[in-house]
Amino acid sequence: DTAVSQTPKYLVTQMGNDKSIKCEQNLGHDTMYWYKQDSKKFLKIMFSYNNKELIINETVPNRFSPKSPDKAHLNLHINSLELGDSAVYFCASSQDHSPNNSPLHFGNGTRLTVT
Amino acid sequence: AQSVAQPEDQVNVAEGNPLTVKCTYSVSGNPYLFWYVQYPNRGLQFLLKYITGDNLVKGSYGFEAEFNKSQTSFHLKKPSALVSDSALYFCAVRDGLDSNYQLIWGAGTKLIIKP
Repeated sequence: DTAVSQTPKYLVTQMGNDKSIKCEQNLGHDTMYWYKQDSKKFLKIMFSYNNKELIINETVPNRFSPKSPDKAHLNLHINSLELGDSAVYFCASSQDHSPNNSPLHFGNGTRLTVT
Repeated sequence: AQSVAQPEDQVNVAEGNPLTVKCTYSVSGNPYLFWYVQYPNRGLQFLLKYITGDNLVKGSYGFEAEFNKSQTSFHLKKPSALVSDSALYFCAVRDGLDSNYQLIWGAGTKLIIKP
């Protein structure tokens, strides 16, 4: 069983398009995250939701909009895609957002290529 | 300011030799420290954490890390390296004074184990 699954695995699209990445976790965790990993492997937090409530919203363009229909799902919608959006996007979850229970479980990533 | 430094972009070790991957941090409150590993084309996997207690923590795959408060370090170690340990390793810290418990990530260290 895949604990954190995200789809699609690969996404190739043209500039200006709108796309979505879906994420689901079956661990019963309360907190979910979206991370961006650039070509130099640097990780950047984008968003974090705890029980469907947004708790971390880093300075990402407002073209990026997370949506959490329930605590097991956190989707990422991106409008008007730009070349600089090309990266690997990781979804993750944790039991909650306190330090003691905070080890993250990551999905395998979605490699987004904008042409 | 909160920060994590992994001073080595790459560490090369011969199989069977001990390995060390370095991490130093800067936070205002008590640190909560983590190591994650990323294999090619995969998400990050949790290795170990230090929250409180014994300064030497043991984790998955035979790895351990030592918390050194005076040197603000949390180096990852393994007594005998395996070729399969080759991967990208990330150190991360949470600041106990940060109410959002946001993770601060290092830039990653590529570990190469040569047969």
